[in-house]
Amino acid sequence: AIQLTQSPSSLSASVGDRVTITCRASQGISSALAWYQQKPGKAPKLLIYDASSLESGVPSRFSGSGSGTDFTLTISSLQPEDFATYYCQQFNNYLTFGPGTKVDIK
Amino acid sequence: QITLKESGPTLVKPTQTLTLTCTFSGFSLSTSGVGVGWIRQPPGKALEWLALIYWDDDKRYSPSLKSRLTITKDTSKNQVVLTMTNMDPVDTATYYCAHRGYSSLGWFDPWGQGTLVTVSS
Repeated sequence: AIQLTQSPSSLSASVGDRVTITCRASQGISSALAWYQQKPGKAPKLLIYDASSLESGVPSRFSGSGSGTDFTLTISSLQPEDFATYYCQQFNNYLTFGPGTKVDIK
Repeated sequence: QITLKESGPTLVKPTQTLTLTCTFSGFSLSTSGVGVGWIRQPPGKALEWLALIYWDDDKRYSPSLKSRLTITKDTSKNQVVLTMTNMDPVDTATYYCAHRGYSSLGWFDPWGQGTLVTVSS
């Protein structure tokens, strides 16, 4: 089974900061990766699919990149509503989620 | 607008079978390429994919839980049902169902609100 790791597991940042989260797959998955945002008590929300495609309605400050085994989610200028936990998910071979990265206020 | 809602028991006893229903609107599970998946999340922990059913009744299960899971659909009722046998306290989690669109290669959008299932005697 394909395993996903995320780093860091948590981070503290300020409004306006540039934030980068990394997701690494245990084997190559091409571009078969999605990113979700989850706020406490809420369902996950799709942000990015196919590693770098921005879901409709998602602010352009979110971007994704990578292919193969290494992927990145970047928030170019952190906004108050962006404090949440972020998960990557691969769909190359079955489906697997990463362990999550919690972004909180510095 | 696509919506999904999970329903089922909030409390089950160890060794019992859990049956959850996902009732959806805004799409048809008879449309080519469409699917509905189940994902769970133990309190304070990460998401775990469980099962996925496609428009053509093809089914996929998490390899680690395959022996305990069954997913079915009732297209006329716009429902997908997940059963999980031999429940254990470690299965305590919020269970989500989610839509896999015809253009999706594996991502889910949107998700239901989730339902918390507690396993305890």
